Amino acid sequence: AQSVSQHNHHVILSEAASLELGCNYSYGGTVNLFWYVQYPGQHLQLLLKYFSGDPLVKGIKGFEAEFIKSKFSFNLRKPSVQWSDTAEYFCAVKRDGNNRLAFGKGNQVVVIP
Amino acid sequence: SQTIHQWPATLVQPVGSPLSLECTVEGTSNPNLYWYRQAAGRGLQLLFYSVGIGQISSEVPQNLSASRPQDRQFILSSKKLLLSDSGFYLCAWKKGLSYEQYFGPGTRLTVT
Repeated sequence: AQSVSQHNHHVILSEAASLELGCNYSYGGTVNLFWYVQYPGQHLQLLLKYFSGDPLVKGIKGFEAEFIKSKFSFNLRKPSVQWSDTAEYFCAVKRDGNNRLAFGKGNQVVVIP
Repeated sequence: SQTIHQWPATLVQPVGSPLSLECTVEGTSNPNLYWYRQAAGRGLQLLFYSVGIGQISSEVPQNLSASRPQDRQFILSSKKLLLSDSGFYLCAWKKGLSYEQYFGPGTRLTVT
């Protein structure tokens, strides 16, 4: 079974539209949560992360994500996307005491100018 | 600052040929090192990780192997490539107890 789930693999939207990408995981216990982004032709890079504290985390380029423990979710949002947000977005989960990251299948987001 | 290098950037190899992909990290010591394979629509699959020289953990049984001959060098190998080995291979590192992994530019492997 997929441990980290991302739905709607392909997302197409217009500039200024709002974006929300879902991420659900199936691990119990303490987790650390990440969103990575891969822009065309670039390295995979960290967008934002949650370790503890405020469940609403802010990342680069106006992105934010909310950790809802009861729903095992860490959804990514941006109120108004730009063409430059075209990229593939990956959710990743690290279980406490584990050196490994489990990634979701990714969301390919295309923003139309 | 730390940097991570992978080479080659692209590779086309026939079925049955050997493989060697190299990853090196600069600017840090004793990193944890990781090999992933990225396939379209399938996300990143962890293949191997290493917490130190000569220490390799395998996540997925297959015809690939990994080695860590030096502290900041991680090598992915195969004796005989299969068509199914085609993909985008990413190396990543993280430092000790930190949580974030940093990724290299990747190698695009096509097995023909």
